Amino acid sequence: DAGVIQSPRHEVTEMGQEVTLRCKPISGHNSLFWYRQTMMRGLELLIYFNNNVPIDDSGMPEDRFSAKMPNASFSTLKIQPSEPRDSAVYFCASGGTNYGYTFGSGTRLTVV
Amino acid sequence: AQSVTQLGSHVSVSEGALVLLRCNYSSSVPPYLFWYVQYPNQGLQLLLKYTSAATLVKGINGFEAEFKKSETSFHLTKPSAHMSDAAEYFCAVSEGNTPLVFGKGTRLSVIA
Repeated sequence: DAGVIQSPRHEVTEMGQEVTLRCKPISGHNSLFWYRQTMMRGLELLIYFNNNVPIDDSGMPEDRFSAKMPNASFSTLKIQPSEPRDSAVYFCASGGTNYGYTFGSGTRLTVV
Repeated sequence: AQSVTQLGSHVSVSEGALVLLRCNYSSSVPPYLFWYVQYPNQGLQLLLKYTSAATLVKGINGFEAEFKKSETSFHLTKPSAHMSDAAEYFCAVSEGNTPLVFGKGTRLSVIA
């Protein structure tokens, strides 16, 4: 089991550019979560999917953020256009409440 | 809505001393409770979970936590701290079908 795989590990981009973060969940996990971690706000849930369907995106900060899960093995989080305040570590996790979530290693995004 | 309060953003202990990290939760239904650990530049790793079975839960790396409903607490303990325990620790709560809500985290330092 390779765990939850996120790419890229690091991303540095200029303000205004489009950024796409990718996640491959653990096979068989029906739920997928995108979290953002910053020093000021801690871990924030952005959006989650059950069986590839978005359930709650109320944590997405602005319309500049969008997420998709076209199939059970892949999800993307897109920011367009990016801004410096989007700089953070973005985590993808898969799993369920009964057995906990498995987190990926995260994508450290820096927008300059 | 559920919430978690972790008392103390930073805890420092001597190697070999007892580790006690505090977590209090708020939930309108019997909760699911979790402790995660995060090492620098890594994702979160599940330490242990409480899902309405035994109130004393044993996890990895010698950690354990006790669910106390009357105190709405789920404190994390380890009898003897090791240098490798230095990390950030997060308590999280779920009400079953809801995503995990995380506390702000407690940074544990271990002094030789």
